[in-house]
This record gives sequence, C-alpha cells and structure tokens, in this order.
Amino acid sequence: AIRMTQSPSSFSASTGDRVTITCRASQGISSYLAWYQQKPGKTPKLLIYAASTLQSGVPSRFSGSGSGTDFTLTISCLQSEDFATYYCQQYYSYPYTFGQGTKLEIK
Amino acid sequence: QVQLVESGGGVVQPGRSLRLSCAASGFTFSSYDMHWVRQAPGKGLEWVAVISYDGSNKYYADSVKGRFTISRDNSKNTLYLQMNSLRAEDTAVYYCAKDRGITGTTDAFDIWGQGTMVTVSS
Repeated sequence: AIRMTQSPSSFSASTGDRVTITCRASQGISSYLAWYQQKPGKTPKLLIYAASTLQSGVPSRFSGSGSGTDFTLTISCLQSEDFATYYCQQYYSYPYTFGQGTKLEIK
Repeated sequence: QVQLVESGGGVVQPGRSLRLSCAASGFTFSSYDMHWVRQAPGKGLEWVAVISYDGSNKYYADSVKGRFTISRDNSKNTLYLQMNSLRAEDTAVYYCAKDRGITGTTDAFDIWGQGTMVTVSS
C-alpha cells in the first residue's frame, strides 16, 4: 500500500497567517491527490482534488500544488473557520490511503 | 439536494455481524463508484472498501478483507457494508462517500454521509 505522510502533525497559527501543510507519498501518484478538511464532530469536506483543483464552493484562499510524491496545501490568509484537521489522500491505486492528519489550532 | 444517509450502526459483540446501509439521493447513484471510510475514535480516516458503479468491481483494505463485503442495489439507490467476524479494532464511525468520477473514472470523494457509529464490545 502507498503510505501518505503529512507534516506537521499539528501546529498553532493565528488568523491572517499563511499556512502550508506538506504531504509525501511513498511512491509516485502523479496528481491523484486530494485534500479534505474535517472539523470536530463533522464529516470530512473535499477541498482540493487532482492535487491543485479547487472543489466548487471552496474559498480561493485554499490552494494545492505538487505531483509525483510531494504535495502541499496552502491557506493564504487563515480565517477562524479554517481551524480544523486536514487530511491528504491518494486515489492513484487501491487500497486508497490517507495521511495521518494535520491539526491546525489557534495560537 | 445531494445526500447520503447511513444507518445500521450500533453496539455488537466481538465475532458477531452487522450490516450498514447508505441511502443516496439527489444524483444518479448508478453512475458513480461508492466507498466506505471509517474513523476510529480520536483517530484519522481509513479507507475501507469501494464498489464500482455497476457492482462489477470491489476492492478492500487489508484490515477488512475476507470479513467485510461491500454491495449495492442501484434500483434502491442504496449502498451496503456487511461486516462479519467483528473485532474491537473495527470500532469506528463508518462513512459512505461518493466518488467524483463518473462511470468508473477514479477520483476523490465529493459527498460524504454523516456517519454511523459501530462499537464492538463485549
């Protein structure tokens, strides 16, 4: 199975900050990479697919980049509603796998 | 609107069985691959299984292979997960999720249900 490793696992930031989360795949996955946001007690929400395509309705402050094995999710100007846990996921091959998650907390 | 609603969760003893259902509405269910994803309490997301739009292909996580069976009834717009030989480590919220890709094109999960809790305990 392809292993997805996110970094950091957690960190604190302030409203207005620019934040970058990294996801690394254990083997090449082209651009078959998605990012999800999950708030406590809520369902995961798709933010980005195909590594860099913004899902409909997602604010433009979210962006994704990368291909092959290294990917990033960037939030350009943190808003209060962005404090959540973020997961990357590869859908290049079965079994699909998720990263362990990055918990973004308020500083 | 597009919606997925899971049901069938509950408390079950180790070694017993449970069947989850996921009722879909608001989209052409028979055109999309469907997935089950689970999340143990306080843990991350784990993909469990997928079934192709027409039911012809199924894949499973190693952790459930041989114990869980995914199926669908396109005439009822419903997805199922039959879980046998349940273990304590199967305790989780189980989500059904719709694949973005139409008729088998591999893609991310754009619609998720609210989840149903399965607790395996004696």
